[in-house]
Amino acid sequence: NAGVMQNPRHLVRRRGQEARLRCSPMKGHSHVYWYRQLPEEGLKFMVYLQKENIIDESGMPKERFSAEFPKEGPSILRIQQVVRGDSAAYFCASSPGGYTEAFFGQGTRLTVV
Amino acid sequence: QQQVKQSPQSLIVQKGGISIINCAYENTAFDYFPWYQQFPGKGPALLIAIRPDVSEKKEGRFTISFNKSAKQFSLHIMDSQPGDSATYFCAASKGSSASKIIFGSGTRLSIRP
Repeated sequence: NAGVMQNPRHLVRRRGQEARLRCSPMKGHSHVYWYRQLPEEGLKFMVYLQKENIIDESGMPKERFSAEFPKEGPSILRIQQVVRGDSAAYFCASSPGGYTEAFFGQGTRLTVV
Repeated sequence: QQQVKQSPQSLIVQKGGISIINCAYENTAFDYFPWYQQFPGKGPALLIAIRPDVSEKKEGRFTISFNKSAKQFSLHIMDSQPGDSATYFCAASKGSSASKIIFGSGTRLSIRP
């Protein structure tokens, strides 16, 4: 039973490029959550999605960031025109329901140069 | 606004000793208080969690103490082992939903042999 799979594990982008982070939830899980962890800080909630729906995006920056969870395929976190301040570890978690324990993936470490 | 304050930032404990990490929260609507363990390069993993209707929960060497009136809770690791060396995050949320889990800033624990 594979856990939450995130790829790539490490991503380097130049300023102004686009970053795409992928998350495949655990089998049977239809709820996906994205969190961002800045160096030496705790994780901060970004967005909560179910299949084809954004449930809560109150933690998402207003510009350049978007997320989707299509009917088929992984959830995607997209960051357009990346800046150095976007450098962080991005974690995805999944759960079978909204009020059940969520399991985290190993994260994607984005470095903007 | 930091809703969950965690201390200390780092902690060194001798093997066999007791590791104690403290957290305080502000929002009285929180009703689920998990602790996460994170090893370098990995995602956070749920270690133990408590709800405010109990004052203590113990699982093996790990114990959560909860003081509802003071809005404080702590993690005690008894007989600390080198394998416990990791970063520990306290957190709080409404229900056990992974949506909008508020994480503390983390404690880097090192167990010296």
